[in-house]
Amino acid sequence: QKEVEQDPGPLSVPEGAIVSLNCTYSNSAFQYFMWYRQYSRKGPELLMYTYSSGNKEDGRFTAQVDKSSKYISLFIRDSQPSDSATYLCAMKGSGGSNYKLTFGKGTLLTVNP
Amino acid sequence: DTGVSQDPRHKITKRGQNVTFRCDPISEHNRLYWYRQTLGQGPEFLTYFQNEAQLEKSRLLSDRFSAERPKGSFSTLEIQRTEQGDSAMYLCASSKPTDTQYFGPGTRLTVL
Repeated sequence: QKEVEQDPGPLSVPEGAIVSLNCTYSNSAFQYFMWYRQYSRKGPELLMYTYSSGNKEDGRFTAQVDKSSKYISLFIRDSQPSDSATYLCAMKGSGGSNYKLTFGKGTLLTVNP
Repeated sequence: DTGVSQDPRHKITKRGQNVTFRCDPISEHNRLYWYRQTLGQGPEFLTYFQNEAQLEKSRLLSDRFSAERPKGSFSTLEIQRTEQGDSAMYLCASSKPTDTQYFGPGTRLTVL
């Protein structure tokens, strides 16, 4: 079993839809959670960075963390064609293991105009 | 404000040749990381520097791979005797100790 599981999709939605992206993890040492967006042949771009369980909102993006279920989500409201990309979840531990990010495979999202 | 930069952006080489990639981190970041990403996969951790000290190396980093960060500034990643299985995107990231990692654009390596 991989430490981080993410459905690779692909996911195709119409413009304006609400998108839900999810990851599950097995390592309870993970304490910090990130979502990155990666356009084709580019480097990952940080979207959200969270620590505690609960919700964090930034514009059209909401990150949700449920540590008890080992489940994280990213919601995109009013999706736009420019949101079409691969979305990667990433996580890391704290203390001595706080340097290495463990990623999911990424979910390929297409928003159709 | 300059982000992480990597050079070259794309490298094509023949099997058995040596290649070297360079990464320039964000100037105030003392931590630097290398990851490798293959098609359809998320990035996988390779190695990590705090200032000039290399503190962790993944078992993915075979003895054909070497990374350096002289003077704690830019870093190089060298692959000797390249193999077709080395074809991937090599990503560099940097961070402050208590912050998350910011990635560069990557170097795409193609081994023929």
